[in-house]
Amino acid sequence: DAKTTQPPSMDCAEGRAANLPCNHSTISGNEYVYWYRQIHSQGPQYIIHGLKNNETNEMASLIITEDRKSSTLILPHATLRDTAVYYCIVRRAPIQGAQKLVFGQGTRLTINP
Amino acid sequence: ETGVTQSPTHLIKTRGQQVTLRCSSQSGHNTVSWYQQALGQGPQFIFQYYREEENGRGNFPPRFSGLQFPNYSSELNVNALELDDSALYLCASSSFPSNRGDTGELFFGEGSRLTVL
Repeated sequence: DAKTTQPPSMDCAEGRAANLPCNHSTISGNEYVYWYRQIHSQGPQYIIHGLKNNETNEMASLIITEDRKSSTLILPHATLRDTAVYYCIVRRAPIQGAQKLVFGQGTRLTINP
Repeated sequence: ETGVTQSPTHLIKTRGQQVTLRCSSQSGHNTVSWYQQALGQGPQFIFQYYREEENGRGNFPPRFSGLQFPNYSSELNVNALELDDSALYLCASSSFPSNRGDTGELFFGEGSRLTVL
């Protein structure tokens, strides 16, 4: 699985959009970009994933660059409950192989009132 | 709530002892994975069980072992505990193979926090 690079920490004001970047320059053609987050004292929670097109769901938007070497997770209107560690993960399609996720250090996002 | 439950939530052991952690997967999920999360680090994949057999393993020694039962619940066993085994142990469940259209997401429990003294 390709390696990802994320900033260790970020701050964002409540109500503003939080934009979390991720570099995955060694991603291969059959690998997806997944985002999980981990709120303190809880297990990781799935947010969104994508292959090459931009994706949006009720939680967030995912913007993947055309060369697929980087992506940005966008939380459009951050709330205090979005304070968490956010992990960007690259993995093969879920129908292929084991369900292994390779977590890095993630980005610790703090939403300030 | 993900429907994945783990027990116990906290426990303390001494070096050299053995520990068993338990996980009930979400209804309908047939695959269980275990992760170790040391303080301040991201979770590290230990292994995965599918159809009661281990079918994927991370860089962990053989003293980390597991079981999966016919109801898809699972156990993680760690023998000869070391101080560095102190961590949050996370269980995750999913369906394998996934149906096309599934997100492929893993559903994590809240973990068992093990302290080794």
